[in-house]
Amino acid sequence: RKEVEQDPGPFNVPEGATVAFNCTYSNSASQSFFWYRQDCRKEPKLLMSVYSSGNEDGRFTAQLNRASQYISLLIRDSKLSDSATYLCVVNDYKLSFGAGTTVTVRA
Amino acid sequence: GAVVSQHPSRVICKSGTSVKIECRSLDFQATTMFWYRQFPKQSLMLMATSNEGSKATYEQGVEKDKFLINHASLTLSTLTVTSAHPEDSSFYICSARHGQQGWTEAFFGQGTRLTVV
Repeated sequence: RKEVEQDPGPFNVPEGATVAFNCTYSNSASQSFFWYRQDCRKEPKLLMSVYSSGNEDGRFTAQLNRASQYISLLIRDSKLSDSATYLCVVNDYKLSFGAGTTVTVRA
Repeated sequence: GAVVSQHPSRVICKSGTSVKIECRSLDFQATTMFWYRQFPKQSLMLMATSNEGSKATYEQGVEKDKFLINHASLTLSTLTVTSAHPEDSSFYICSARHGQQGWTEAFFGQGTRLTVV
């Protein structure tokens, strides 16, 4: 089983829609998680950390479900600029990346 | 956020030659730096963890004699791809953390797109 698995998508949504996707991780002892965003042929950039109680940053909401070992990202009111690949990252000192979920927001 | 600078951003080299990639943390001291490789439409794969003043720790399947890593100072790590071959063509990215904190986010360099012809 891979350390971090994501639904690759792509998720193709209209502007203004809500899109959500999950990421599962294999190490039940993992404590720290992030969502990064990667645009085509660019380096990843931190989108947000994921806290145990769930957290929100503007239109983005991250949730952690330890029992089922997954984290989720929800994007509300999608913008064209949200089109990117979203990388789930498990931080067990070294960062383990999922393969990414591609989101395309269309006008 | 903190700034990590990676150079060069793009390099084309002939098969059999060596290429050095630099990764610098510009406004913080990075005790640990990580080197990743990303093939098209695939996730970032950790190649090695570089600790200042000590030997790098390589992931399984990564040849340490082919991918030489040097972390001589708290702000600079280098990756040298020796005797490069076309299959080494990839996107190489470094990342760095602040100090000793293991739970903080990492900041990434801009990446180096290596093409071996």
